[in-house]
Amino acid sequence: DVVMTQTPVSMSVSLGGQVSISCRSSQSLVHNNGNTYLSWYIQKPSQSPQLLIYKVSNRFSGISDRFSGSGSGTDFTLKISRVEPDDLGVYYCGQGTQYPYTFGAGTKLELK
Amino acid sequence: QVQLKETGPGLVQPTQTLSITCTVSGFSLTSYYMQWVRQTPGKGLEWMGFIRSGGSTEYNSEFKSRLSISRDTSKNQVFLKMNSLKTEDTGVYYCATHPGNYWGQGVMVTVSS
Repeated sequence: DVVMTQTPVSMSVSLGGQVSISCRSSQSLVHNNGNTYLSWYIQKPSQSPQLLIYKVSNRFSGISDRFSGSGSGTDFTLKISRVEPDDLGVYYCGQGTQYPYTFGAGTKLELK
Repeated sequence: QVQLKETGPGLVQPTQTLSITCTVSGFSLTSYYMQWVRQTPGKGLEWMGFIRSGGSTEYNSEFKSRLSISRDTSKNQVFLKMNSLKTEDTGVYYCATHPGNYWGQGVMVTVSS
């Protein structure tokens, strides 16, 4: 199975600040069709995960441009700029390139 | 608008079978893949499997021998059935469209005698 490793496990941020979350996969996430199926989700307390970014860098409908995804192969990053209170929660990366699909263990974003 | 809602038992005894129904609205099951994802204290988020828009299925081999995903398109429902439950299967079970753009609220399942 593809192992997804997220760092850091948790981080503190000031409102208005910027953060970067890293996600590394144990194998390349480039699919045979040329696409890279790496997604980012946020899970707010007592809620379901919500899709933020799909295929590395595409923002899902309604997602603020403060969220940006980048990377390739096995190394990916989620950046959040001008952090707002509603951004707090646990962020997960997930891969949909190889079965079984797998997720990272999460990065908890807290207020400093 | 798109809505997904899981319904199922809150408590299941070890060795018994878990059955959860996901009722959807706002879209057709014949147009979307539907997946099941669970979140457990021990393993976090785990992809369990999906049913394609055409009705075929794909399962995580971790569950393959005891998991079944099916649907009733006339009722806009997707079903998860998993047998031989263990205490480690305790967690929240979500249905979601694939690739994860819409999720249900989840249903908490506790496996305990």
